[in-house]
Amino acid sequence: KQEVTQIPAALSVPEGENLVLNCSFTDSAIYNLQWFRQDPGKGLTSLLLIQSSQREQTSGRLNASLDKSSGRSTLYIAASQPGDSATYLCAVALTGGGNKLTFGTGTQLKVEL
Amino acid sequence: DTGVSQDPRHKITKRGQNVTFRCDPISEHNRLYWYRQTLGQGPEFLTYFQNEAQLEKSRLLSDRFSAERPKGSFSTLEIQRTEQGDSAMYLCASSLPQGSSGNTIYFGEGSWLTVV
Repeated sequence: KQEVTQIPAALSVPEGENLVLNCSFTDSAIYNLQWFRQDPGKGLTSLLLIQSSQREQTSGRLNASLDKSSGRSTLYIAASQPGDSATYLCAVALTGGGNKLTFGTGTQLKVEL
Repeated sequence: DTGVSQDPRHKITKRGQNVTFRCDPISEHNRLYWYRQTLGQGPEFLTYFQNEAQLEKSRLLSDRFSAERPKGSFSTLEIQRTEQGDSAMYLCASSLPQGSSGNTIYFGEGSWLTVV
């Protein structure tokens, strides 16, 4: 059974700091890995999707990397802003799993002025 | 493209009542998923459809839960004889099939259920 772990569970940083969120998964037979953002009481917004054949994806100030062999992904946020405050969720889809996602419990990020 | 829409956004119901949630996926997406999320946890998979066919159901989906997608477009999730443990946010998502280019999964805003 795929298990996804995210560390840290919560993080508070001053504005402008670069930060890294970590995600690990137990079954390396993944099809893809997706990072989401969730604001309180809201749905999930897709940030980045990395296919299993890829090593990283970038979108603006966000960069996500994938190391399948070690079962790890990181989400790098450059020059953090208060508007980045949210919960960040990592989710993996297994090959042949119908694109069904297994989620971690998230990292709650607070960026302070 | 209006994204994935869910209705209602919030529902408070008494224990033992039935509730139904509706999801309208992104129009060209033939995959539709239902997830459940409780406070402080990541979403948990419940079931998914490809077109009108329900291809997989989680063990979390007890016999009080039923999902349909009759014409391969919108879907409904019904919970019968609700219990307090059913209180959660129910998330709908849609995507293209695995193997398609760009198979990002897109989520709706969720339907909050409170059972009192």
